[in-house]
Amino acid sequence: GAGVSQSPSNKVTEKGKDVELRCDPISGHTALYWYRQSLGQGLEFLIYFQGNSAPDKSGLPSDRFSAERTGGSVSTLTIQRTQQEDSAVYLCASSLGITGVEKLFFGSGTQLSVL
Amino acid sequence: DAKTTQPPSMDCAEGRAANLPCNHSTISGNEYVYWYRQIHSQGPQYIIHGLKNNETNEMASLIITEDRKSSTLILPHATLRDTAVYYCIVRPIYNQGGKLIFGQGTELSVKP
Repeated sequence: GAGVSQSPSNKVTEKGKDVELRCDPISGHTALYWYRQSLGQGLEFLIYFQGNSAPDKSGLPSDRFSAERTGGSVSTLTIQRTQQEDSAVYLCASSLGITGVEKLFFGSGTQLSVL
Repeated sequence: DAKTTQPPSMDCAEGRAANLPCNHSTISGNEYVYWYRQIHSQGPQYIIHGLKNNETNEMASLIITEDRKSSTLILPHATLRDTAVYYCIVRPIYNQGGKLIFGQGTELSVKP
């Protein structure tokens, strides 16, 4: 089957606009992660979904960031009123999410540029 | 999650074994050790994981010390394509906390 798919691959927006980033996980994977990677930096955890449990939002940097996962599959990360410091690669990953053995499969990411 | 410590960078000659160390002195009995790598401009890629026994797969070997306070990832015959940032992560066996946290990793440069 297909891997983790993210869209768009590139997004250029103006400061103050809202953006939506989409992630299609691998079919059957119950766990889904969002990470952010600024230029030359490591991976910053944003949010984690596991099955029907309440998501772990502890990594979201501000209330401008939100994410949802519909039907336990597709996830959308929304950034409201974008700022220049939001420019980064946004990576999505999924895993089977069983017994805590986390073999994550990553998408290719969305490169977000806020002008 | 237990904290891990890795050297920021390492060099390795092409064709030689690359041995990447990781200290996780506060690891607890229910935590796995995971290794991922990130090649430039790509998403991270899972390499291997282990609990207490040494593990080997088609990509690498993982050696965990008997006290589990450190581990070494071994790439037996490094190639130029193995140039990447390598992340060592520890995480509980059970779904406690959930999230997988990446540190700064080791930047491995394989040189001809």
